[in-house]
Amino acid sequence: EVQLLESGGGLVQPGGSLRLSCAASGFTFSSYPMSWVRQAPGKGLEWVSGIDGSGGDTYYADSVKGRFTISRDNSKNTLYLQMNSLRAGETAIYYCAKRHIAAVGFDYWGQGTLVTVSS
Amino acid sequence: DIQMTQSPSSVSASVGDRVTIACRASQAVGSWFAWYQQKPGKAPKLLIYAESTLQSGVPSRFSGSGSGTDFTLTISSLQPEDFATYYCQQAKIFPYTFGQGTKLEIK
Repeated sequence: EVQLLESGGGLVQPGGSLRLSCAASGFTFSSYPMSWVRQAPGKGLEWVSGIDGSGGDTYYADSVKGRFTISRDNSKNTLYLQMNSLRAGETAIYYCAKRHIAAVGFDYWGQGTLVTVSS
Repeated sequence: DIQMTQSPSSVSASVGDRVTIACRASQAVGSWFAWYQQKPGKAPKLLIYAESTLQSGVPSRFSGSGSGTDFTLTISSLQPEDFATYYCQQAKIFPYTFGQGTKLEIK
């Protein structure tokens, strides 16, 4: 059974940093690109960042480029999102998501971890 | 970036109704397109990928169609568990982008 379990969320002040983790199980982690998607309270879904299976190629939304870093440790089956210079408007639930084998869409999602950016 | 625009933003319907939700991309995305369902407090669930392929375990009352820039999600006969918010997404070009969502409410 595929499972994705995020952790690392919490309360952080504007300008602060946080590192999210997503522990994966139930599939060959290194074979699949992964992404982070966030959802502000009462708002829609926003794709944040993606990474290929090897970790060699990374992609970012313009809104987070230069501040967020996605990475993965395939030996630990874990995806990461390092978030620096956080802004108040980035309060959201952050989900990790596994790309579908057909390379279109995300077929498995974690339960999400809440990041609150507030002073 | 590719902009995804859904219509309507909300729709009210009754159990048994046929409902259609539209999504338009600002440029052609081919078959690099997916639909999701999200219920309150839950993660999104993939319904349809590659424009019209039903994800495993999704009821056959859901269907997707379209091509290029215009896509449609149809629910043939609404069931109580279908009342949720639906999102479209393009996966052709980074950054991947979602539509703003369509909330399906009980009439």
